[in-house]
Amino acid sequence: GQQVMQIPQYQHVQEGEDFTTYCNSSTTLSNIQWYKQRPGGHPVFLIQLVKSGEVKKQKRLTFQFGEAKKNSSLHITATQTTDVGTYFCAGPNTGFQKLVFGTGTRLLVSP
Amino acid sequence: DGGITQSPKYLFRKEGQNVTLSCEQNLNHDAMYWYRQDPGQGLRLIYYSQIVNDFQKGDIAEGYSVSREKKESFPLTVTSAQKNPTAFYLCASKPQGSGNTIYFGEGSWLTVV
Repeated sequence: GQQVMQIPQYQHVQEGEDFTTYCNSSTTLSNIQWYKQRPGGHPVFLIQLVKSGEVKKQKRLTFQFGEAKKNSSLHITATQTTDVGTYFCAGPNTGFQKLVFGTGTRLLVSP
Repeated sequence: DGGITQSPKYLFRKEGQNVTLSCEQNLNHDAMYWYRQDPGQGLRLIYYSQIVNDFQKGDIAEGYSVSREKKESFPLTVTSAQKNPTAFYLCASKPQGSGNTIYFGEGSWLTVV
């Protein structure tokens, strides 16, 4: 079945350092979404990318959708302690009935 | 207030007992989902429903059951057949359409002792 993998599984950075997580799907995606889950919380939608090669920015966060629409990345510039959490990418399955979530990347930021 | 309400937030049960987790949404969303999350792990789909009176198994449906008698409600029963039920359970919903985002409830922590 469709699989979505993310690397790294875990990253620990010092505040101010940059961070990138990569998302790879086994199938072509019509769109990709990113979610953030704070420790003890629930996933919250961050952004959706639809077009091949699309790049979107939200303040210090930059999201990219690959040309082949099978991979994506999230880059955080100059991390802050408020960035702590697990970041998930997700894409719809072939029939669009459900979202397939990536394995997640857990980010820890030390002050 | 619009949103997805899950209850209870914390639940303790003895092994061998069935337990039902509630999920109610007032967003008028057609699709609803149940995910399971183990500590430090990703989200695994248990069951989902696209319309009332219809639902499909997800990736880890064994030991769980659901019903969708009303659009607003999608309760999940964790049965005694579920071998490792202790986990964080997340309910979610989304409107119809391939590009629409999914909205999560705050989750229910189930501990079976």
